[in-house]
Amino acid sequence: QKEVEQDPGPLSVPEGAIVSLNCTYSNSAFQYFMWYRQYSRKGPELLMYTYSSGNKEDGRFTAQVDKSSKYISLFIRDSQPSDSATYLCAMILQGGSEKLVFGKGTKLTVNP
Amino acid sequence: GAVVSQHPSWVICKSGTSVKIECRSLDFQATTMFWYRQFPKQSLMLMATSNEGSKATYEQGVEKDKFLINHASLTLSTLTVTSAHPEDSSFYICSARDQLSNGGSRKQYFGPGTRLTVT
Repeated sequence: QKEVEQDPGPLSVPEGAIVSLNCTYSNSAFQYFMWYRQYSRKGPELLMYTYSSGNKEDGRFTAQVDKSSKYISLFIRDSQPSDSATYLCAMILQGGSEKLVFGKGTKLTVNP
Repeated sequence: GAVVSQHPSWVICKSGTSVKIECRSLDFQATTMFWYRQFPKQSLMLMATSNEGSKATYEQGVEKDKFLINHASLTLSTLTVTSAHPEDSSFYICSARDQLSNGGSRKQYFGPGTRLTVT
């Protein structure tokens, strides 16, 4: 079992839809959770950062962490064609190195 | 957010030559930077952790003599691909954390990447 599981998609939605992206993980020692957006041929861009459990909202984006279920989510409201990209979840262990452990990434297409 | 730059953004070199890629944190200091490579349609693969003023830590399977890393200052790390071969062609990306002014945050910021093509 991989440490971080993420459905690679692809996921295709109409403009304005609510998008739900998810990752599960196996190591309960993960404490820092991030979502990155990566456009083709570009470096990943940090979207959301959460420490431990809870929700965080930033504009159209909401990140949720459920440590009891080892499950994290990213919701995108009112999705736009410009949201079309690959979304990567990433996490870091508490007290360990600062290495990011990534999911495989989900490719999202928002159709106008 | 913090800004990380990379140079060059794209480079073509001949087989057997060496190529240097620079990673700079523009508005913060980073004692630790990370180097990744990414193949098409795949996730990022960590190559090494670059520590300012000390030797880099390489991931298993990464040849340290082939991928030379130098982290000479708090804002600059370089990756040199030595004696490059076509199989080294890839997208190389660095990341950095603002460790000195950001408390306990583990946020990592990525550069825009460098596309290396070895002919």
